[in-house]
Amino acid sequence: GQNIDQPTEMTATEGAIVQINCTYQTSGFNGLFWYQQHAGEAPTFLSYNVLDGLEEKGRFSSFLSRSKGYSYLLLKELQMKDSASYLCAVDSGAGSYQLTFGKGTKLSVIP
Amino acid sequence: ETGVTQTPRHLVMGMTNKKSLKCEQHLGHNAMYWYKQSAKKPLELMFVYSLEERVENNSVPSRFSPECPNSSHLFLHLHTLQPEDSALYLCASSQDERGGYEQYFGPGTRLTVT
Repeated sequence: GQNIDQPTEMTATEGAIVQINCTYQTSGFNGLFWYQQHAGEAPTFLSYNVLDGLEEKGRFSSFLSRSKGYSYLLLKELQMKDSASYLCAVDSGAGSYQLTFGKGTKLSVIP
Repeated sequence: ETGVTQTPRHLVMGMTNKKSLKCEQHLGHNAMYWYKQSAKKPLELMFVYSLEERVENNSVPSRFSPECPNSSHLFLHLHTLQPEDSALYLCASSQDERGGYEQYFGPGTRLTVT
């Protein structure tokens, strides 16, 4: 089966750095996505990793280690608007495109 | 309009009703998806369509019936639902149903079954 684990909730201070971890065990691997979802809104795409290493995109970076089944999302210079749920999703690559999502990490940014 | 739109945004229906959810994408994508999002559970993929052909059906009960008349429109027909079907139903699209393409989500339909 497919299993994606990420912390349920995290709290961080405005201006700080926070790292949201995701571990996965899937039957195959064809890439890992991070999505941001504000309360009551649709998920929006943040990043995609298919090779090992760090992908940087402005204040957000995402890291992948395929051998460890591990990824993290790094958010720098936190802003209040970063308060949201962050969803880790793995494309298991089993035939057609299927994303398996984790339960999401609810991040609260406090002043 | 741009992106992915869904109607209605909110729906309350009884267990004996029949209703339909509509999704439209204005991105020129070839693949469309239905997801169910329940509180404290991961997003669950329900159906995948590629160029109007259904390519995945993740053991979804037959009371949910999808329809994809063209690559821009996707429907989810609902009948004789159960209270546990209350959830947020999200539609998404991507350039292709094969790997590597991010999905663009609509705002969702908040469904309550009474």
